[in-house]
Amino acid sequence: DQQVKQNSPSLSVQEGRISILNCDYTNSMFDYFLWYKKYPAEGPTFLISISSIKDKNEDGRFTVFLNKSAKHLSLHIVPSQPGDSAVYFCAAKGGTSYGKLTFGQGTILTVHP
Amino acid sequence: KAGVTQTPRYLIKTRGQQVTLSCSPISGHRSVSWYQQTPGQGLQFLFEYFSETQRNKGNFPGRFSGRQFSNSRSEMNVSTLELGDSALYLCASSLGLAGEAGYEQYFGPGTRLTVT
Repeated sequence: DQQVKQNSPSLSVQEGRISILNCDYTNSMFDYFLWYKKYPAEGPTFLISISSIKDKNEDGRFTVFLNKSAKHLSLHIVPSQPGDSAVYFCAAKGGTSYGKLTFGQGTILTVHP
Repeated sequence: KAGVTQTPRYLIKTRGQQVTLSCSPISGHRSVSWYQQTPGQGLQFLFEYFSETQRNKGNFPGRFSGRQFSNSRSEMNVSTLELGDSALYLCASSLGLAGEAGYEQYFGPGTRLTVT
């Protein structure tokens, strides 16, 4: 049972344009959501998070939007840079999954110069 | 401040053997969580240790076990290895319990386990 889903395995974007990565979840008890970025041969690194009491959180070029009614969150990267090319994982925690992160399968983002 | 370190980085084992992976958390961090990453499955939670006690456990068979020492270092053991256990095993540390707001997890580079 995949409680967190990233339905797009890959995304290709031109440098300078917006990258939008999407994530859906099924567990309504999740109350905290995170995005991680992962380069090959490295562990995931924390990017940005959002609590369920908010619908938007911004940090520089990265903005996360949360739509609780749709159980959907998205990560916007503006403007996209070639160094952003990596695998992006969304993760959620809360409710009975307290104490563990439930990850999506990841989306490979490629930003072309 | 040194990051999370995992040893070994790469490991090749044969079916039926057992393996022990090690994780040293960031200094001062008391929580260590373990994840398995396989293609198509993303990262799947194995277990979390805090103050030498297992606080949370994922849906993995009993062949997967772990422990944490008084210095917060953690080990993960997999017995009777199967081909499907081939994966990247990641550990993550945090100051407090991973479920508590504000306690972000910091990941190590992982141990790549190949079972032949």
